[in-house]
Amino acid sequence: QSALTQPPSASGSPGQSVTISCTGTSSDVGGYNYVSWYQQHPGKAPKLMIYEVSKRPSGVPDRFSGSKSGNTASLTVSGLQAEDEADYYCSSYAGRNSYVFGTGTKVTVL
Amino acid sequence: QVQLVESGGGVVRPGRSLRLSCAASEFTFNTYAMHWVRQAPGKGLDWLALISYDGTNKYYADSVKGRFTISRDNSKNTLYLQMNSLRAEDTAAYYCTKYNYGFHAFDIWGQGTMVTVSS
Repeated sequence: QSALTQPPSASGSPGQSVTISCTGTSSDVGGYNYVSWYQQHPGKAPKLMIYEVSKRPSGVPDRFSGSKSGNTASLTVSGLQAEDEADYYCSSYAGRNSYVFGTGTKVTVL
Repeated sequence: QVQLVESGGGVVRPGRSLRLSCAASEFTFNTYAMHWVRQAPGKGLDWLALISYDGTNKYYADSVKGRFTISRDNSKNTLYLQMNSLRAEDTAAYYCTKYNYGFHAFDIWGQGTMVTVSS
């Protein structure tokens, strides 16, 4: 199972928006609405930010939003804040009880 | 609060074995599927294995199939990962994570335990 493709980096100034893409195939991202997104600060465990493509767990700011079109999912962070600087990973169910993560994107707040 | 705590990491020589543990607390462990995910230094997340809530069903990534074994002891609220024939490329932080089928996502993660395979 190949990793989902994400851009290595993305950046924006405070208050701006940044969008991260996550490209897979019809066997994973395109085949299921089970795409999730995780935020990871250096030295910390990942934290669930978005599940089922576009839903936010309790406690996650509504500045974080998700979407999907075909084999590509996207995470948008609006109103960037300094604490949003982190690595972000997408994940998808890939069928037959297997899962796959994205390559990861480092978001920098300028 | 809901918590997962991994242990058992360390430095091990190539070809040797190591068993990781993950202690769960403050949730009904025996009703949730559990997974192991690893992250090599400076690299991305890598899904490794899944075990069903009752331990009946186990699934693995091709990269570890036949070398790693996931198991659980629901009486002890503990998840395990037995790693055999370790290689340098297995060097990583290993995370246990709880899968929420209502979310179809990994909603709780441990802090990770580091495994270094080196001669």
